[in-house]
Amino acid sequence: NAGVTQTPKFHILKIGQSMTLQCTQDMNHNYMYWYRQDPGMGLKLIYYSVGAGITDKGEVPNGYNVSRSTTEDFPLRLELAAPSQTSVYFCASRDTGMEAFFGQGTRLTVV
Amino acid sequence: QKEVEQNSGPLSVPEGAIASLNCTYSDRGSQSFFWYRQYSGKSPELIMSIYSNGDKEDGRFTAQLNKASQYVSLLIRDSQPSDSATYLCAVPRGYSGAGSYQLTFGKGTKLSVIP
Repeated sequence: NAGVTQTPKFHILKIGQSMTLQCTQDMNHNYMYWYRQDPGMGLKLIYYSVGAGITDKGEVPNGYNVSRSTTEDFPLRLELAAPSQTSVYFCASRDTGMEAFFGQGTRLTVV
Repeated sequence: QKEVEQNSGPLSVPEGAIASLNCTYSDRGSQSFFWYRQYSGKSPELIMSIYSNGDKEDGRFTAQLNKASQYVSLLIRDSQPSDSATYLCAVPRGYSGAGSYQLTFGKGTKLSVIP
């Protein structure tokens, strides 16, 4: 079972560049999430989606964008990357009332 | 009050002891609660879920829920060095016709089990 798949696992981005972090789940979950985790900190919600075509902001959405055209995919777009976006990014999915399943994470460095 | 708060760590316990991890939440409407374990450099993995008041046991792990006090805890009995990790409390909040949708995490408590 693939579960939640994130790509890439590691990436170095230059300041001002843009990139898309990919997330795909094969569990037919309605809810999907993007979190960032800074060293020694918990998970901060960036964006979430309750179904295809429906997305909403979380706690720290500035500098990011998302789309959800299918149930399976929930890409996260970074525009004009800044050093403050250096972090580990986790994608997760879940069903109503159930636990979340996480991808392996993307370690992003902005230099 | 923050949405989900955990007791600050790090928490150090000797091998074989009981580790007690605590979490409080602000949304009285929350119906489900999750504990995740996260090893350094890895993604969170589910340890326990609890939906009803009282205790739920799974092996060496016991989750305790008190909705009146908005409090959920995780006990780890016979702690092992392999239990050394950060433990995250997660609480769904926000509601729609389809149920709760946001999933908010506490900052986590780092547990060290000393051999």
